Amino acid sequence: SQQGEEDPQALSIQEGENATMNCSYKTSINNLQWYRQNSGRGLVHLILIRSNEREKHSGRLRVTLDTSKKSSSLLITASRAADTASYFCATGQGGDYKLSFGAGTTVTVRA
Amino acid sequence: NAGVTQTPKFQVLKTGQSMTLQCAQDMNHNSMYWYRQDPGMGLRLIYYSASEGTTDKGEVPNGYNVSRLNKREFSLRLESAAPSQTSVYFCASRSSPGTSIYPPQHFGDGTRLSIL
Repeated sequence: SQQGEEDPQALSIQEGENATMNCSYKTSINNLQWYRQNSGRGLVHLILIRSNEREKHSGRLRVTLDTSKKSSSLLITASRAADTASYFCATGQGGDYKLSFGAGTTVTVRA
Repeated sequence: NAGVTQTPKFQVLKTGQSMTLQCAQDMNHNSMYWYRQDPGMGLRLIYYSASEGTTDKGEVPNGYNVSRLNKREFSLRLESAAPSQTSVYFCASRSSPGTSIYPPQHFGDGTRLSIL
C-alpha cells in the first residue's frame, strides 16, 4: 500500500500567490522527497529532507517535516504559471533503495 | 546527455499479446526502477534492480517480468497483457549513495500503454 497521502488533491491559485500542500505518511522514514510532474512528462526531483531535519529551503520552495505527526508540507512562494503541475511526496524507509509515492496534488496557477 | 530514455512512448495491445518496454540510462547509475501510474493512485513500484545482476519485486509485480540487461538497460515484459495493465509506465534510475546519502531518482517520460 502507498505510504504517503497528499492533501489537497487539487489546488487552484492566482499567479503570485503561495501554494501549500501537505503529505502524511504511515511508518517511520529516513527521508522524504518532493517531486514535480508536468503534464505528459516524468517526475522531476525538487527537494529532499532527512528525518532529523525540520525545515529546508530551495529557491521558492520550503519544506517542513514533523516526524511526530508523520507529516510534511511543501510551500511554493510567489507562484508562476510554470509551477502548474502535479506534486508528489515520496518517502524512503530503512536501508533499501525504494521510495513510496503518494497520489499527488495537482496545482493550477492562473495568470 | 539524454538521462533516462524509454521506448516506445505509446503502444496499444490486444489482450493476451506480449510486449517489452525498454529503458536505458546514460548516467552510470546503479539502481533502476519500473513504476506504473494510474489516475488517482500515484506511482506504484513494479520491480527494481538495486545493482547490475539483481532484481527484486516491488508492490505490484504480478503479470510482469524484468531483465537487467547490463548497467544501462532495464526492461519490463508483459507476457500476456490484460486490460488491468493499461497504465502509464515509468522507468527511473538512481546513483549509489555518495556525496548524497539519499540520491534522488531520475525519471523517463513514460510509456503510455493501452490494452484492449
